[in-house]
Amino acid sequence: EAGVAQSPRYKIIEKRQSVAFWCNPISGHATLYWYQQILGQGPKLLIQFQNNGVVDDSQLPKDRFSAERLKGVDSTLKIQPAKLEDSAVYLCASSIAAIDTGELFFGEGSRLTVL
Amino acid sequence: AQSVTQLGSHVSVSEGALVLLRCNYSSSVPPYLFWYVQYPNQGLQLLLKYTSAATLVKGINGFEAEFKKSETSFHLTKPSAHMSDAAEYFCAVTTNNDMRFGAGTRLTVKP
Repeated sequence: EAGVAQSPRYKIIEKRQSVAFWCNPISGHATLYWYQQILGQGPKLLIQFQNNGVVDDSQLPKDRFSAERLKGVDSTLKIQPAKLEDSAVYLCASSIAAIDTGELFFGEGSRLTVL
Repeated sequence: AQSVTQLGSHVSVSEGALVLLRCNYSSSVPPYLFWYVQYPNQGLQLLLKYTSAATLVKGINGFEAEFKKSETSFHLTKPSAHMSDAAEYFCAVTTNNDMRFGAGTRLTVKP
């Protein structure tokens, strides 16, 4: 079974530039998550999709971050304009359904460095 | 909101020694608790989970954790550390589909 795919693995940009990350979840997984993991910290949820609808985006900085999940499969996370504090690993995860009793499957992450 | 606190950002043990990684949770409702492991440059992988069944939970790679409600703890243990256990370990709690992670504990295994 193929895992969660993410690209690019690494990205270096200057502040005020824009960047986009792509995620392809495990086939059949209805729920998709984007987490931000800053060095030395645990992952923090940015946004959760159930199929192509947003379940929770309360921690997404909406002035600069946006995400979409067209057709309920792939998802894209965009940052525009980037700030220095956005340097982090962006993790995509998916699950079959609700996560309370289930398991999240994570991709390898996209490491962003903002200079 | 629920949260977890991992005591000790770094733990170092010798190969063959006991591994103990500490996690305390805070939740106003019965929680579901998880331990995830992250190897360098990889995503997180589930080690084990507590979902209100048995309080002693066994996971992969010889790890286990015990849910203690009276102590609000969910510590992770392994009787004998192996070099391949060196990684970052994250405790997580969910209620109402909102998963919160601890800051992580980096485990170093010395030969």
